[in-house]
Amino acid sequence: DAKTTQPPSMDCAEGRAANLPCNHSTISGNEYVYWYRQIHSQGPQYIIHGLKNNETNEMASLIITEDRKSSTLILPHATLRDTAVYYCIVRVSIIQGAQKLVFGQGTRLTINP
Amino acid sequence: ETGVTQTPRHLVMGMTNKKSLKCEQHLGHNAMYWYKQSAKKPLELMFVYNFKEQTENNSVPSRFSPECPNSSHLFLHLHTLQPEDSALYLCASSQDWFSESPDTQYFGPGTRLTVL
Repeated sequence: DAKTTQPPSMDCAEGRAANLPCNHSTISGNEYVYWYRQIHSQGPQYIIHGLKNNETNEMASLIITEDRKSSTLILPHATLRDTAVYYCIVRVSIIQGAQKLVFGQGTRLTINP
Repeated sequence: ETGVTQTPRHLVMGMTNKKSLKCEQHLGHNAMYWYKQSAKKPLELMFVYNFKEQTENNSVPSRFSPECPNSSHLFLHLHTLQPEDSALYLCASSQDWFSESPDTQYFGPGTRLTVL
């Protein structure tokens, strides 16, 4: 079972910042939070990941709360091409050293002109 | 460009056919994965190969048979499939399945499979 909960859908105006929330209240101390997105019928695309510090790259920023129970992905200037399903994933430990990504249903983000 | 390619992109097959899906990664990774994505369902991990050894089989029916001849290539052999096996099959790769540090998976474009 996915360890994250996300709103099923969100809308954002083109050019504005898109803020996608994610709850992961049962996350363990050594589990990372990953964000991927999937544009219709394509393979998921890696966006960003973090452990406890805020992270930024050329695609997005990731803000993780101090208690690590939730996070927010920020797309600073959303474009129409950012319309996709966004997955917040906790990398789950299954056996010593081996971890896997457990995908949930994600948030369908629609960028409106 | 993700560096992970999959062929074919689309496949239609009958229930008595035998076909294979191919995945190739050009990223120098050591772990490769097969995922299944059915309509309106989350991605499900099917198989994991780490350094060419199968390390995870997520209770997948035997009509799906993976093969990993080297760290760059991964196949999924299909035989006597059912219509409910119709889905998007995704391949991914990462540096190392047993990596203690963050290990990002990179996905291919997928093969859209339809079983008639």
